[in-house]
Amino acid sequence: AQSVTQPDIHITVSEGASLELRCNYSYGATPYLFWYVQSPGQGLQLLLKYFSGDTLVQGIKGFEAEFKRSQSSFNLRKPSVHWSDAAEYFCAVGSYSGGGADGLTFGKGTHLIIQP
Amino acid sequence: DAGITQSPRHKVTETGTPVTLRCHQTENHRYMYWYRQDPGHGLRLIHYSYGVKDTDKGEVSDGYSVSRSKTEDFLLTLESATSSQTSVYFCAISEARSDEQYFGPGTRLTVT
Repeated sequence: AQSVTQPDIHITVSEGASLELRCNYSYGATPYLFWYVQSPGQGLQLLLKYFSGDTLVQGIKGFEAEFKRSQSSFNLRKPSVHWSDAAEYFCAVGSYSGGGADGLTFGKGTHLIIQP
Repeated sequence: DAGITQSPRHKVTETGTPVTLRCHQTENHRYMYWYRQDPGHGLRLIHYSYGVKDTDKGEVSDGYSVSRSKTEDFLLTLESATSSQTSVYFCAISEARSDEQYFGPGTRLTVT
């Protein structure tokens, strides 16, 4: 079964500083990878996705992520964070290779705090 | 934003009572999903549907049942609610099996 690990439960970053959120996955086949963001009391919004091709993917709100197969990682980055980026971030992997349930397996999330 | 609504948005119920949550979509997507979100666990898949009357279990399906009689509606039923089912429930949709999923606003359920 696939799994997703987000090693950092909380991260604090100063406004204007760069950001990197870590995500490691365990999956036998080629993964489909996603990053979602959740603001307090809201649903999840898709930031970006990786299916195949270029390993550096661009998303909304200035975010990007890089797929590294050798490290089983899909880290999320932003060069300069804004106070509005404070939220919960979830990495997810898709199970589509047959067997097991369709649907996404989520990491437990990273809570991002922005310091003024 | 994808056209997904969930009802009710908030519900408080007593242990042992039946509860049905509704997810409604206007996107005509084939796939629909129910997840629960709990602190420290992220989101976990309860059940999903890959077409009208076609459903399957997810990771945490015990105590839950689902039905899908129309493309646009996916119902989640707790036959006899327990305190361990206190959670926030999210519905999601996707157009195809390998597509990204879009999430509804969630339903906060409290079982007392």
